[in-house]
Amino acid sequence: DVKVTQSSRYLVKRTGEKVFLECVQDMDHENMFWYRQDPGLGLRLIYFSYDVKMKEKGDIPEGYSVSREKKERFSLILESASTNQTSMYLCASSSRDYGYTFGSGTRLTVV
Amino acid sequence: GQQLNQSPQSMFIQEGEDVSMNCTSSSIFNTWLWYKQDPGEGPVLLIALYKAGELTSNGRLTAQFGITRKDSFLNISASIPSDVGIYFCAGRYLNRDDKIIFGKGTRLHILP
Repeated sequence: DVKVTQSSRYLVKRTGEKVFLECVQDMDHENMFWYRQDPGLGLRLIYFSYDVKMKEKGDIPEGYSVSREKKERFSLILESASTNQTSMYLCASSSRDYGYTFGSGTRLTVV
Repeated sequence: GQQLNQSPQSMFIQEGEDVSMNCTSSSIFNTWLWYKQDPGEGPVLLIALYKAGELTSNGRLTAQFGITRKDSFLNISASIPSDVGIYFCAGRYLNRDDKIIFGKGTRLHILP
């Protein structure tokens, strides 16, 4: 089975902290994605990457950055966490044959 | 960003009832996908549709890729308590960056 693993299920951080959310996939997928999910707003794409060291902005990149130094790992970085970044964060990877596989999500609370 | 129109937003049904939800788009997609998200988990792929007019089943679930390639529906027959969750439709462009556009989800509640 394809596995996408997000390092934390729950995180609580303080306003202004730098936050790292890690995502690892084990199926050699080229494409990886970060979404945030909020009630009533569905899944919104933050950033995606279609190759190592490549990144593209999604629909809501403000306040976030990403890093893809290795094919299997895609990190989401909140440079200075704010309360409006409290959300569920979902990582996904994809192949052309199978579609997206999601991780279990990280529920981030910024206080 | 672009989003699909998914309806209904939520449904309250009795156990044993059939369920129907749909998605429409102004864009043509190569692929339609249906995902289910259980509480506290990430979405899991239920059904993938690759051709206009295609009708595909997965157990009690049936989904169709609309002839115009701009819509899709998902039916669930004889609902059971474990069907509770959020169902997302998604349209996929098979291009270089493989982006998928998601609907906002249909939240399914099953009344005891």
